[in-house]
Amino acid sequence: GQNIDQPTEMTATEGAIVQINCTYQTSGFNGLFWYQQHAGEAPTFLSYNVLDGLEEKGRFSSFLSRSKGYSYLLLKELQMKDSASYLCAVRSDYKLSFGAGTTVTVRA
Amino acid sequence: SAVISQKPSRDICQRGTSLTIQCQVDSQVTMMFWYRQQPGQSLTLIATANQGSEATYESGFVIDKFPISRPNLTFSTLTVSNMSPEDSSIYLCSGTAGLTRNTEAFFGQGTRLTVV
Repeated sequence: GQNIDQPTEMTATEGAIVQINCTYQTSGFNGLFWYQQHAGEAPTFLSYNVLDGLEEKGRFSSFLSRSKGYSYLLLKELQMKDSASYLCAVRSDYKLSFGAGTTVTVRA
Repeated sequence: SAVISQKPSRDICQRGTSLTIQCQVDSQVTMMFWYRQQPGQSLTLIATANQGSEATYESGFVIDKFPISRPNLTFSTLTVSNMSPEDSSIYLCSGTAGLTRNTEAFFGQGTRLTVV
């Protein structure tokens, strides 16, 4: 089975940094994805990791440790528009299994 | 990435009836999937829509309840049959344009279904 855990909620101040952790135990592994989902909208792709290490993409970075079954998404210079749910997803056999999502609230 | 148009965006249905949700992609995609997302919960995969053949269902989902069609590489439908209030959820279709590992999945806008 697939087990993907991430915190339910996080709150941070505009301009700050927030790190969203994700731990996983899955029956296969072909990569880990992070998606952003605003309320009432479809998830949109943020990042992908398949090898250990850090992938940086502008204000967003994602890290993976396959031996630890662990990833994090780092959001820097937070903006109000970053208030959303962030979904960790693991791919195995071309199928994605999702965590429950972390709701990030950015306060002024 | 490709764009998926999903409709309807929302509907309120009577129990015992059926609703068909459609997804149209603006380019050919290799794989299409259907998910359900209940409030505060993760996306749960219902099935993989296979072009020209029967869908592959995940544990807990059956064809009689959620028949799926995919007549070509750009279009798929999901029917929620004989609905009950427990079927109230958001239904999302998803596609991937390739089979390489780093090909991300993209999503339709979702259908918010309420069964009364």
